[in-house]
Formats: sequence, structure tokens, C-alpha cells
Amino acid sequence: EIVLTQSPGTLSLSPGERATLSCRASQVLAASYLAWYQQKPGQPPRLLIYGASRRAAGIPDRFSGSGSGTDFTLTISRLESEDSAVYFCQQYGNSPLNFGGGTKVEI
Amino acid sequence: QVQLVESGGGLVKSGGSLRLSCAASGFSFSDYYMTWVRQAPGKGLEWIACISNTGDSMYYADSVKGRFTISRDSAENSLYLQLSSLRVEDTAVYFCARGLGVLTVYVPLDFWGQGTLVTVSS
Repeated sequence: EIVLTQSPGTLSLSPGERATLSCRASQVLAASYLAWYQQKPGQPPRLLIYGASRRAAGIPDRFSGSGSGTDFTLTISRLESEDSAVYFCQQYGNSPLNFGGGTKVEI
Repeated sequence: QVQLVESGGGLVKSGGSLRLSCAASGFSFSDYYMTWVRQAPGKGLEWIACISNTGDSMYYADSVKGRFTISRDSAENSLYLQLSSLRVEDTAVYFCARGLGVLTVYVPLDFWGQGTLVTVSS
């Protein structure tokens, strides 16, 4: 099974700054089958990015994804207070479709 | 609009059983793979089961295989998860989610319900 390791565990930044979140896979991901989700307290996860770099419907262009192989990045440019949340990556190229442990972004 | 509403959670003793439901609306239910994901209190997300759009194929995480059963009823637009031989470590919020587009288990999850809490006591 593929294990995803996210770093850092917590990121504390100010509004307007850029956030860079990392997700590393234990094996090469087929066809960049990597997604990013945002979860706020008491809410379900929300799909942000899939296919490593494709924004889901309705997601602001402040959110961007990049990477391939085993190393992937979620970038949030120009942070806003509403971006405070936990961010999870997920690989969906192999069963089980595992999630990373999450990165908490504090603003 | 797409809506997924889970129900059926509650408090159950270790070794007990529970059946979760997820009522779907706002889309053609029979055209999508559906998935259950759980989240233990204060912890991360765990993918646990997926079912094909026709209900012919099911996929499970090793942690629940042989104890949980995923099923669906297209006439009722509903997804189910039968939980058996429950353990304390199964305590979690259980989310149902829709697979994005393509008819395969290998897709991201584009819509999620609010979740239902299952608490297993010893």
C-alpha cells in the first residue's frame, strides 16, 4: 500500500503570505493520481485539486497544485483568513486510496 | 444541487452491529461510484470502502474487510454501510462521498456528506 507523508505538521502564516504544503508518496503515483482536500472544523472535506494540478469546480485560483512521481505540492498564494483549515492529500491510483496525515494551516 | 445525508450513527457496544445510510439527491445516483471514509476524533481521514455504480464491485480497506459491507439501492438513491463485529477503534465520524466522473474506484471524491458519528464502547 502507498503511504503519504505530509509536511509540515502545522504552518503558521499571516494574511497575504504564501503557503507551501508538501505531500510525499512512498511509491510513484500512476498518472499523478493525487488530490488535495481542505477541511474546516466540524465540516466534511472539500476537494480542491485533483490530477495533481487540476482545480476542482469553484476553487479560487489562489490554490494551485504541482508535482509528479512521488513529490507533490499544494500552494496557496495570498492567504486569506478563511483558508485556516487542515489540508489532506490523497492518492487514488492504488487501493487502498490512502490519505496523508494532514497539514494544519493557521492564519 | 448535490446532497448527501448520512444517518444511522450512534452508541454501540464492542462486538455489536450498526447500519449506516446515505441518502443521495441532486444527481443521477446510478451513474457514480460511491465511497465511505471515516475520521476518528481529532485524527486524519481513512478510506474504508467503495462500491461501483452498478453495485457489482466492492472494494475495502484491510482494516474493515470481513466486518463491514457496502451496498447500494439505486431505486432508493441510497448508499449503505453495514458495520459488524465493531471495535473501540472503529469509533469515528463516517462520511459518504461521491466519486468524480469516470466509472472507476480510482477517482477523487468531489462531494461529501456531513457525516454520522459512530461510538463504540468497551
